[in-house]
Formats: sequence, structure tokens, C-alpha cells
Amino acid sequence: AQRVTQPEKLLSVFKGAPVELKCNYSYSGSPELFWYVQYSRQRLQLLLRHISRESIKGFTADLNKGETSFHLKKPFAQEEDSAMYYCALSPGGGNKLTFGTGTQLKVEL
Amino acid sequence: GAVVSQHPSWVICKSGTSVKIECRSLDFQATTMFWYRQFPKQSLMLMATSNEGSKATYEQGVEKDKFLINHASLTLSTLTVTSAHPEDSSFYICSALAGASNNEQFFGPGTRLTVL
Repeated sequence: AQRVTQPEKLLSVFKGAPVELKCNYSYSGSPELFWYVQYSRQRLQLLLRHISRESIKGFTADLNKGETSFHLKKPFAQEEDSAMYYCALSPGGGNKLTFGTGTQLKVEL
Repeated sequence: GAVVSQHPSWVICKSGTSVKIECRSLDFQATTMFWYRQFPKQSLMLMATSNEGSKATYEQGVEKDKFLINHASLTLSTLTVTSAHPEDSSFYICSALAGASNNEQFFGPGTRLTVL
């Protein structure tokens, strides 16, 4: 069975500092990886997916199959980035999502 | 983007009663919807996959007779928690698969269930 691990429950950074939210996964096949974000009092929404290879709101994530990681990065954190971030995995070709436990990002001024 | 609604947003019920939660895709059709459960400060756990016009597929460990799912139309799926008990108290979230958006899942705002 697949598993997604986010080792940090809380990550606190100062505005303008780089951000890296860690995500590791275990899956025997070729997964699709996602990052979802939940801002305060809002619903979960897709931030980015690895197959798109795009930067959203300054965030990027690269799938590293050797290290089975999909870390989320942003060079300069903004206050509006404060939110709960979930890494998720979907088996290749499927739609079911397995979520990590989430990391609360707090950007301080 | 596509919008998914849930009703009610919160519900309190007595132990032993049944509660129905609705999930609607407002501006798109969804042949597939998902139901998740989230305990406080924990992750979302997939409960079941709801398919329009067919039986739902339940994840291992989820009692299908307790959590009844009906996907009667392309815009509505319902989750009924039967004979609810305090341990069923949780945050229930649905999502709908939008085929036109490269199979992206759009999430509802969730329903807070409290069983007394």
C-alpha cells in the first residue's frame, strides 16, 4: 500500500526566507504526486501536480524518484503563504488520493 | 474553477440516529466523487469512491452498511451515517472529479458531524 510522509507538523519561517516543505512517499509503481493547500477557513485546493511541471504562486516541486520525495519549495516566503499544506499521491492512472498528515506553514513578519 | 458544495456544514445528532450529508457539483458533472474523513489535526482518509449509477467502492476497514453512499445523479452524491455513535463524530469532506479539468479533484467545504 502507498504511504505519504510529511515529517514536519509545523514550519515557521520569516517573510522573505526560503521555504521547503518535505514530502516522502512509498509506492511500488509510478505515482502521480500533488500538493494541496488549505488556507484558513477555506476548502482544500490543488496547488500543483508533478506532471504539470509548473510554478504556482512561486512554489515548485520536483519529483525525485531516487529519493522518493516531492518537496515543495519557494525561494521567498510571503505572509499570504501561511496555510496548511498536504502532499498527496495517486497511483499511476488512478484517481484515488492518499494524503500525508500535512504541514502547517507559518510565515512571520 | 469548479465548485463543490456540501450540506449541511455542521450537524449535531443523538446517538442511534442517522444523518445524511449531501455533496453537489454546482457547475460541472461528476461521474466520480470521493468521501473523506478527517479527525482533528489528522490527515484526510479516503472512505469510499462514489460512482454515478453504480455501487460505491469502499476502502478497507470502512463499513459499507454504516456509511451508505448514493450517487443518484451526475451532480449529487449523498453519505448517510446510519445509527451514528460518538466515535463517528468527525469532519467529512467530499470531492468531485472534473474530467474536463484533467481529472482534478475539487473539494467541498466539509461537514462537521457531532454525535452526542
